[in-house]
Amino acid sequence: QVQLVQSGAEVKKPGASVKVSCKASGYTFSSHYMHWVRQAPGQGLEWVGIINPSSESTNYARKFRGRVSMTRDTSTSIVYMELSGLRSEDTAIYYCTRGPWGTSTEDWFDPWGQGTLVIVST
Amino acid sequence: DIQMTQSPSSLSASVGDRVTITCRASQTVSTSLNWYQQTPGKAPNLLIYGASNLQSGVPSRFSGSGSGTDFTLTISSLQPEDVATYYCQQSYSTPRTFGQGTKLEIQ
Repeated sequence: QVQLVQSGAEVKKPGASVKVSCKASGYTFSSHYMHWVRQAPGQGLEWVGIINPSSESTNYARKFRGRVSMTRDTSTSIVYMELSGLRSEDTAIYYCTRGPWGTSTEDWFDPWGQGTLVIVST
Repeated sequence: DIQMTQSPSSLSASVGDRVTITCRASQTVSTSLNWYQQTPGKAPNLLIYGASNLQSGVPSRFSGSGSGTDFTLTISSLQPEDVATYYCQQSYSTPRTFGQGTKLEIQ
């Protein structure tokens, strides 16, 4: 079955960077775009960006540009999201989630990884 | 960016009730509108895509409708396991944006 398994929780100091991984299985890795969405404690969902695992092209939400980088390793079917210059407001659960086959327009997110809690604290 | 506004923000209903949640977009999103259910401590789960298409495995008591700027998620007969927060999300343009969520409780 299709599965997205993320790396474990992280605790970082302000100004540091964090790199979260998302390992995909059960489908053709390069055929589905991958999105990252975050959720601050007790808050709603916020889209971070998208990566095309085939070309490694990316598109990031404006508020994260310059601080976020999404990459992939096709040999292991893993996508990565690295966020730098961490501040307390970046404390959140970060989810990877897959788009439908072959498109990044008019898409939807299914399934979702289990989430990775990133805590930014002194 | 397209702003998504859900109403109500919270809702309490009885088992067996028909429940309706609305979502309004700040500009047209055609039918590029999805609904997700999130239970506490879990990742969101896709319920409806393309405004009205029921995701495989989702109970048929869930349905979606609408186009343009106004959309509705309906639960025809509320069940105890439907206690959750529901989010709409547009995929018409980037950045993808979500509604603020509707928290559904059982009376």
